[in-house]
Amino acid sequence: DQQVKQNSPSLSVQEGRISILNCDYTNSMFDYFLWYKKYPAEGPTFLISISSIKDKNEDGRFTVFLNKSAKHLSLHIVPSQPGDSAVYFCAATSTRTSGSRLTFGEGTQLTVNP
Amino acid sequence: DVKVTQSSRYLVKRTGEKVFLECVQDMDHENMFWYRQDPGLGLRLIYFSYDVKMKEKGDIPEGYSVSREKKERFSLILESASTNQTSMYLCASTPVFLRTDTQYFGPGTRLTVL
Repeated sequence: DQQVKQNSPSLSVQEGRISILNCDYTNSMFDYFLWYKKYPAEGPTFLISISSIKDKNEDGRFTVFLNKSAKHLSLHIVPSQPGDSAVYFCAATSTRTSGSRLTFGEGTQLTVNP
Repeated sequence: DVKVTQSSRYLVKRTGEKVFLECVQDMDHENMFWYRQDPGLGLRLIYFSYDVKMKEKGDIPEGYSVSREKKERFSLILESASTNQTSMYLCASTPVFLRTDTQYFGPGTRLTVL
């Protein structure tokens, strides 16, 4: 039972344009959401997070939007840069019940073309 | 800087061998995790530990065991390796009861079972 789903295995965008990565979840207990970025041969690194009490969180070029009623979140990267090419994982947790245990999605390979 | 290290970057073993994957973190974190990453499946939690000598099963513990004798070290053991355990193994750590975005990952071990 995949509780966090990233339906797009890959996404290709031109440098300077917007990248939008999507994530859906099914567990209504999830109240904290994170995005991780992973380069080949490296471990994932934390990118940005959002609590369920918010619907938007912004950090530089990265913005995460949360739509609780749709159980959907998205990561926007503007403008996209070639160095953003990586696999992006969406993750979720219930801070009341799961502590720091995360449930990850399948990942989306983003390719930013120069 | 938090550092999570894993004993090997690449490992090749034969079916039936006992395999040890070691993870060490240097930030006195209480929580440690073992994941495997497979294409199209994302990161799946194998085992985690909230303290020394404590362990809990994750989503896919079958065929694995763990050991946490010291706070900084968390070992993943494949008692009898099988070809379906060929994967990228990632270790992570995080301090207890703090923000869940501080889950730090090691570089990963690419295990091939022949």
